[in-house]
Amino acid sequence: QLQLQESGPGLVKPSETLSLTCTVSGGSVSSSSYYWGWVRQPPGKGLECIGSIYSRGSTHYNPSLKSRVTISVDTSKNQFSLKLSSVTAADTAVFYCARLLATYHFDIWGQGTMVTVSS
Amino acid sequence: QSVLTQPPSVSAAPGQKVTISCSGSSSNIGNNYVSWYQQVPGTTPKLLIYENNKRPSGIPDRVSGSRSGASATLGIAGLQTGDEADYYCATWDSSLSVVVFGGGTKLTVL
Repeated sequence: QLQLQESGPGLVKPSETLSLTCTVSGGSVSSSSYYWGWVRQPPGKGLECIGSIYSRGSTHYNPSLKSRVTISVDTSKNQFSLKLSSVTAADTAVFYCARLLATYHFDIWGQGTMVTVSS
Repeated sequence: QSVLTQPPSVSAAPGQKVTISCSGSSSNIGNNYVSWYQQVPGTTPKLLIYENNKRPSGIPDRVSGSRSGASATLGIAGLQTGDEADYYCATWDSSLSVVVFGGGTKLTVL
């Protein structure tokens, strides 16, 4: 059964770069049938899709974050990653990685990881 | 504010049916499949409905989805206290080239 697990620092300083990795187990990130995405949820607020990546490397980013976001895939490690630069307190959130199907629904989610931006 | 509009809250008694609306535009709901997610506070979102009206394995048939024009509706019949959660609609937005979510609806089972 496919599982996703986020990892990365739980605390990031303002103006620095937030970096998270999602490790895929029970399946392959190289599968041609899926995209892989990142979704965040600030405390007490709703869900926001940050972006997604296809196994071949093509990406889609939320226009509101596009200038600060990079999503990449490492097929050798069966992982995909998120980098969000120049973070502020407004970027404090639970970050989820998830599998995105061709009809644009997220069917499998990681457990989420809380990232706090604070000095 | 969110691209997709949902009511902030809905409520109904146990055993009753509730519907949650999700309103968008031709660049999103009007031309793309809608999905719905349930999130119990403190837990991971769970897929309830995909491709407008399909249920993943394990989701009971008292949960339903529909789409008409640029709006979508989630229905939950035979409400149980365990249905209390936040519910989100989502779809692809062809103008933004990203998945967009509604703001979420808190369901209270009275």
